[in-house]
Amino acid sequence: AQTVTQSQPEMSVQEAETVTLSCTYDTSENNYYLFWYKQPPSRQMILVIRQEAYKQQNATENRFSVNFQKAAKSFSLKISDSQLGDTAMYFCAFFGIKAAGNKLTFGGGTRVLVKP
Amino acid sequence: EPEVTQTPSHQVTQMGQEVILRCVPISNHLYFYWYRQILGQKVEFLVSFYNNEISEKSEIFDDQFSVERPDGSNFTLKIRSTKLEDSAMYFCASSEVGTNYGYTFGSGTRLTVV
Repeated sequence: AQTVTQSQPEMSVQEAETVTLSCTYDTSENNYYLFWYKQPPSRQMILVIRQEAYKQQNATENRFSVNFQKAAKSFSLKISDSQLGDTAMYFCAFFGIKAAGNKLTFGGGTRVLVKP
Repeated sequence: EPEVTQTPSHQVTQMGQEVILRCVPISNHLYFYWYRQILGQKVEFLVSFYNNEISEKSEIFDDQFSVERPDGSNFTLKIRSTKLEDSAMYFCASSEVGTNYGYTFGSGTRLTVV
């Protein structure tokens, strides 16, 4: 079974600074997808960024970028120029192509607090 | 942009009562899901549903839980006899067949069992 680990329960960052969230996962699959979801206080799950394992190029979405290290099974998220609206829980998630039922496996989350 | 709609946003129920959580998935999606998040904990997979049957379910999804697609648009989660530990945020999601990036979550239903 796949597992996803987020080792940082909480991170704080000054507005306009950069913060990096770590995520590691365990799988025996070769083809899979990785995601970062943002959960603001409203508790809605918002997709931030995704990465296909077969792509070597790291995904970028505006101020959000990832560092995908397939051999190390690591998938970190970098938030650049942090804004107050980035304050939220961030969840790393894994999707295996062979996973029964198309299910996502989530990490435990990292709470990010952006300070003015 | 298409949305997954969940109702109600918050439901309070007495222990032992039955509850039905409702979801309207995105219209051209064919895979439907329920996830649960107990306050302060990780998001957990409950069940996926495809072609009018359960595709996969977790160990959490025991006989107290059931899902149904009663018509062409709604997807429901029923908890037959609620327990205090069922208190959580319940998320519905939908995706296109076999896709990984077309996964869209609803805004959730907060269930409180008292």
